[in-house]
Amino acid sequence: SQTIHQWPATLVQPVGSPLSLECTVEGTSNPNLYWYRQAAGRGLQLLFYSVGIGQISSEVPQNLSASRPQDRQFILSSKKLLLSDSGFYLCACPRQEYGELFFGEGSRLTVL
Amino acid sequence: GNSVTQMEGPVTLSEEAFLTINCTYTATGYPSLFWYVQYPGEGLQLLLKATKADDKGSNKGFEATYRKETTSFHLEKGSVQVSDSAVYFCALRKYNQGGKLIFGQGTELSVKP
Repeated sequence: SQTIHQWPATLVQPVGSPLSLECTVEGTSNPNLYWYRQAAGRGLQLLFYSVGIGQISSEVPQNLSASRPQDRQFILSSKKLLLSDSGFYLCACPRQEYGELFFGEGSRLTVL
Repeated sequence: GNSVTQMEGPVTLSEEAFLTINCTYTATGYPSLFWYVQYPGEGLQLLLKATKADDKGSNKGFEATYRKETTSFHLEKGSVQVSDSAVYFCALRKYNQGGKLIFGQGTELSVKP
């Protein structure tokens, strides 16, 4: 069965520091992968999606970037964090083509 | 553009009360509609879905009917339990958009014993 692993689960970082959040998927090959962010008191917003290795689409302009170095690995990064980057970051992939999204446990980032 | 609007929370109910969480959407064409649930400290889980008009999704006692005439997908449960306390998200996906979901802002439900 499909599983999504995200780490770290929680992270507290100072403003201006770099960021790397990792997502690894098991139980599927060549999945579409997605990064969503849930800001406090707000819904989820799609940040990036990837249909394959090295292929990244950005949905909103922001301070973050994404990379997909391997088929089942999706990384969210920043060179310099802003306070507004705080939130709950969720990695997701479809259970089947055009099926419902399956989410990881999330990474909670607090920027101070 | 496409959007999803949910009733604002928090919603506080007593155990065994009837639950309705309203969700309306704006979209062209025929989107698929979803309800996700987020329990405290966890990621999102799919609760139910409907892919065409008049479909009813159901799971764990929750139901929602895809109403194209009112562009709504309200979530209901006849008798809530304390364990239903969570944040509920309504979402839509346009046809052939893969995993690109558009979410509502979420509605927090708190059920008291």
